[in-house]
Amino acid sequence: QKEVEQDPGPLSVPEGAIVSLNCTYSNSAFQYFMWYRQYSRKGPELLMYTYSSGNKEDGRFTAQVDKSSKYISLFIRDSQPSDSATYLCAMSGLGGSEKLVFGKGMKLTVNP
Amino acid sequence: GAVVSQHPSRVICKSGTSVKIECRSLDFQATTMFWYRQFPKKSLMLMATSNEGSKATYEQGVEKDKFLINHASLTLSTLTVTSAHPEDSSFYICSATQDSGTNEKLFFGSGTQLSVL
Repeated sequence: QKEVEQDPGPLSVPEGAIVSLNCTYSNSAFQYFMWYRQYSRKGPELLMYTYSSGNKEDGRFTAQVDKSSKYISLFIRDSQPSDSATYLCAMSGLGGSEKLVFGKGMKLTVNP
Repeated sequence: GAVVSQHPSRVICKSGTSVKIECRSLDFQATTMFWYRQFPKKSLMLMATSNEGSKATYEQGVEKDKFLINHASLTLSTLTVTSAHPEDSSFYICSATQDSGTNEKLFFGSGTQLSVL
């Protein structure tokens, strides 16, 4: 079993839809959870950074962490064509600066 | 956010040649930089951690003699793929941290697509 599992998709939705992206993990030592957005042939950019369990909201984006289930989610409300990108989850251990372990990334297309 | 510049963005080379990729932190000093490679539909895989003024730390399975990393200053790290072969073709990405205490201050370059013929 890989440390971080993420369905690579692709996922195609109409503009305005609510998008749900998920990752599961096996390492209970993970404490920090991140979501990155990566446009084609570009480096990832940090969208959400969370610690431990709970929710975090930033504009149209909401990150959820359920450590008991080893499951994290990213929700995108009112999705826009500009949200079309690959979304990667990443996580690290207690140190906060420890090596990041990434999911494969989910390719999202939002159709106008 | 902080800017990390990576060059070149794309390089095509012949098998057996060496290729150098540069990673610069433009508006901050980065004591630590990281190098990743990414295959299509695969995760970013950490290759090595580079600390300014010291030898890089390579991940298991990464050949240090093939992927030479130099971090000579607080704003520049280079990755040299020596004697490149077609199987080295991949997307290479660097990142630099503005604060070694947290991944929240980790910023990525725009990547280099290496194609070895």
